[in-house]
Amino acid sequence: EPEVTQTPSHQVTQMGQEVILRCVPISNHLYFYWYRQILGQKVEFLVSFYNNEISEKSEIFDDQFSVERPDGSNFTLKIRSTKLEDSAMYFCASNYLAASYNEQFFGPGTRLTVL
Amino acid sequence: KNQVEQSPQSLIILEGKNCTLQCNYTVSPFSNLRWYKQDTGRGPVSLTIMTFSENTKSNGRYTATLDADTKQSSLHITASQLSDSASYICVVSVSGSGGGADGLTFGKGTHLIIQP
Repeated sequence: EPEVTQTPSHQVTQMGQEVILRCVPISNHLYFYWYRQILGQKVEFLVSFYNNEISEKSEIFDDQFSVERPDGSNFTLKIRSTKLEDSAMYFCASNYLAASYNEQFFGPGTRLTVL
Repeated sequence: KNQVEQSPQSLIILEGKNCTLQCNYTVSPFSNLRWYKQDTGRGPVSLTIMTFSENTKSNGRYTATLDADTKQSSLHITASQLSDSASYICVVSVSGSGGGADGLTFGKGTHLIIQP
């Protein structure tokens, strides 16, 4: 069964460093998303991506964040200068239809720890 | 403000017992409601998705109900197994948001522990 994959599973970085989190969505999906979940808190929407551009973003997704689909399979989230409060689980998700109409398929997550 | 409240925050039951998790929402206009299971350190996995016209939907031992009038949903787990230990997240979708993910409101989840 196809699934969303994410790498790395755990990333440790120093405050101020750049990190890139990688995701491979399910191959025939058209909509891609990043979410984050701070330990013990609820899942929060960051950004959605469709047709090679950002379609929505939340207040969390400020200028420090960017997304890219560099080729036909990868979908990346870059944090330019990490802060302590960026420590969280980051989930990639994808689906064939828009999020509000159809279930999303989530990856296993990348645990980001900023020291 | 769109909100999803789940109860209880956490629940411990013995293996083989049944349990029911609650979700109340104030999201409007309503499009659909989903229940996800999230194992520790993993991404959420969809259990059910229900639209306005659906009152109940089952997925194996999981049965979700929806009362759109009272804006309440429940997830009933029958004959619990150790593998059911996880967080269960209620997510409600807003109608007319253009289908975007910003139209989804997540609950904080119920942390369920099944004891042998």
